Amino acid sequence: DTEVTQTPKHLVMGMTNKKSLKCEQHMGHRAMYWYKQKAKKPPELMFVYSYEKLSINESVPSRFSPECPNSSLLNLHLHALQPEDSALYLCASSQQTSGMSSYEQYFGPGTRLTVT
Amino acid sequence: QKEVEQNSGPLSVPEGAIASLNCTYSDRVSQSFFWYRQYSGKSPELIMSIYSNGDKEDGRFTAQLNKASQYVSLLIRDSQPSDSATYLCAVIGDDKIIFGKGTRLHILP
Repeated sequence: DTEVTQTPKHLVMGMTNKKSLKCEQHMGHRAMYWYKQKAKKPPELMFVYSYEKLSINESVPSRFSPECPNSSLLNLHLHALQPEDSALYLCASSQQTSGMSSYEQYFGPGTRLTVT
Repeated sequence: QKEVEQNSGPLSVPEGAIASLNCTYSDRVSQSFFWYRQYSGKSPELIMSIYSNGDKEDGRFTAQLNKASQYVSLLIRDSQPSDSATYLCAVIGDDKIIFGKGTRLHILP
């Protein structure tokens, strides 16, 4: 089973709203990732969690706040977003963040976010 | 700045022919290489991973790696209309996966 689930599938929010994106995997993976993808662009790494600790933050604005409550769950808290933050937000997981095959990342279906 | 380069396409291939997708990378010490398929509006799907020089076959897909030339390719045999998608080449660099910009593949019925 290589399934990563994400909720919600679609989200429309105003610039003053607070919302959260959720991601879950049951593959026993110890690394989880958040990506942002704009149309016709590759995924852009935002955050990496390894063994439930934040290991990489790609200089993401503080209006995006990640959280890893346990090894299966990953959240992305959103606050005071801008219209340019509208994108497909992808969660991914991998066995670990080192060792060749451990880098194989499996993506969830994504959340399509629109900021109005 | 570590880079992964792909021709953006579109690459148009007749149904039943072989589609050849190419990728070059700048980091000579990279050890892990991946191909993802992404349909429009959907998330990337891992279709091949390769770690050693040479060919790796999985069904209609063959990944080829040449570390000396810093080149990785994906061949799709007997191309089907359902293969029409964007193919992302990805390479591990600095303990992070680095994606190319993707090649749009269009299979002509």
